[in-house]
Amino acid sequence: DTGVSQDPRHKITKRGQNVTFRCDPISEHNRLYWYRQTLGQGPEFLTYFQNEAQLEKSRLLSDRFSAERPKGSFSTLEIQRTEQGDSAMYLCASSLTGLASYNEQFFGPGTRLTVL
Amino acid sequence: GQQLNQSPQSMFIQEGEDVSMNCTSSSIFNTWLWYKQDPGEGPVLLIALYKAGELTSNGRLTAQFGITRKDSFLNISASIPSDVGIYFCVNGGATNKLIFGTGTLLAVQP
Repeated sequence: DTGVSQDPRHKITKRGQNVTFRCDPISEHNRLYWYRQTLGQGPEFLTYFQNEAQLEKSRLLSDRFSAERPKGSFSTLEIQRTEQGDSAMYLCASSLTGLASYNEQFFGPGTRLTVL
Repeated sequence: GQQLNQSPQSMFIQEGEDVSMNCTSSSIFNTWLWYKQDPGEGPVLLIALYKAGELTSNGRLTAQFGITRKDSFLNISASIPSDVGIYFCVNGGATNKLIFGTGTLLAVQP
């Protein structure tokens, strides 16, 4: 399977703990995006990378959130001191620039975070 | 901010029926995308539209980019049970981030 993969698929944690999620994009895609989706809503943009550079961050991304893409391949999203309001599905997507179809982002299955 | 309003909010139909849903925006966009999301999974890209007036098909799905560039519709012909899910219209553009609509929940009864 050469699609976007995310790990873990589910994470349950206690309030105040730190969590880290991983995303592996489609191998030739140079852009990687993180979105958050709460129940009953569409995904909302958090941040994106072109290669290893983080080029845009949403105001939804508080200072407890940090994302990295150290070698321009996989990415990690860390949430420090989790709060119950962080409970959501965290989605990763990737796309390829240089084509008119760069908006065509391909999503992974998501990581469902539950903060108790 | 930008808002994409989808209608209807939900649809409950019989297998074999045709489905039509639409999406309107307060702003002009250069790209319309339609995604489908199954419960507990990530959205899957169905159709991408890049020109005003463009009509594109993908199997039983047909989508059009409105001439005003502020709307789009998606039709599904001869629905089947696996069409169940949430359908999102999505705007893309130079900002790189996708903006998702409010979603249309489709339920298909066999």
